[in-house]
Amino acid sequence: AQTVTQSQPEMSVQEAETVTLSCTYDTSESDYYLFWYKQPPSRQMILVIRQEAYKQQNATENRFSVNFQKAAKSFSLKISDSQLGDAAMYFCAYRSSVSGTYKYIFGTGTRLKVLA
Amino acid sequence: EAGVAQSPRYKIIEKRQSVAFWCNPISGHATLYWYQQILGQGPKLLIQFQNNGVVDDSQLPKDRFSAERLKGVDSTLKIQPAKLEDSAVYLCASSAGTESSYEQYFGPGTRLTVT
Repeated sequence: AQTVTQSQPEMSVQEAETVTLSCTYDTSESDYYLFWYKQPPSRQMILVIRQEAYKQQNATENRFSVNFQKAAKSFSLKISDSQLGDAAMYFCAYRSSVSGTYKYIFGTGTRLKVLA
Repeated sequence: EAGVAQSPRYKIIEKRQSVAFWCNPISGHATLYWYQQILGQGPKLLIQFQNNGVVDDSQLPKDRFSAERLKGVDSTLKIQPAKLEDSAVYLCASSAGTESSYEQYFGPGTRLTVT
């Protein structure tokens, strides 16, 4: 069975600085998707960034980028130029590509605090 | 486009009572998920529907939880009878349900408190 591990329950970053959130996963599948979701205090979860396992190039979305290491089964999120609005819970998630299932598995989350 | 709708937003019940949650996914989304999110934890999948069929309900406590998705659109999740440990936020999400349609869209959730 697949697992997702986030070993940092809480992180803090100064406004305008850079922070990296860690995620490791375990799977026997060769093709899958990885995601970072953001959950602000209002609790509506939104997608931050995704990575297809078959792509070697790391995904980027504006200030958000990932470091995807397939062999090490590592998927970290880097937030550059941190803003107060980045404060939230961040969840790493794995999605199987087994046809017909597309099951998602979430990590336990990292609470990010942004200090003014 | 309208997002995923859930109701009620909050519910307080006593243990052993029953409760039901409703979810209306994004129009045209074939896949619907119900998650349980206990405070301080990540979402845990309870049940996944593809259209009106169940794809995965391996983590659904079937002795007290039930869910249905009639006509492949709206869905209801029921707990009967509730226990204290059922206190959590219940999230509904939907996706187009194809290989390339990877994104899940989440509703605002229903916060359940069992006293």
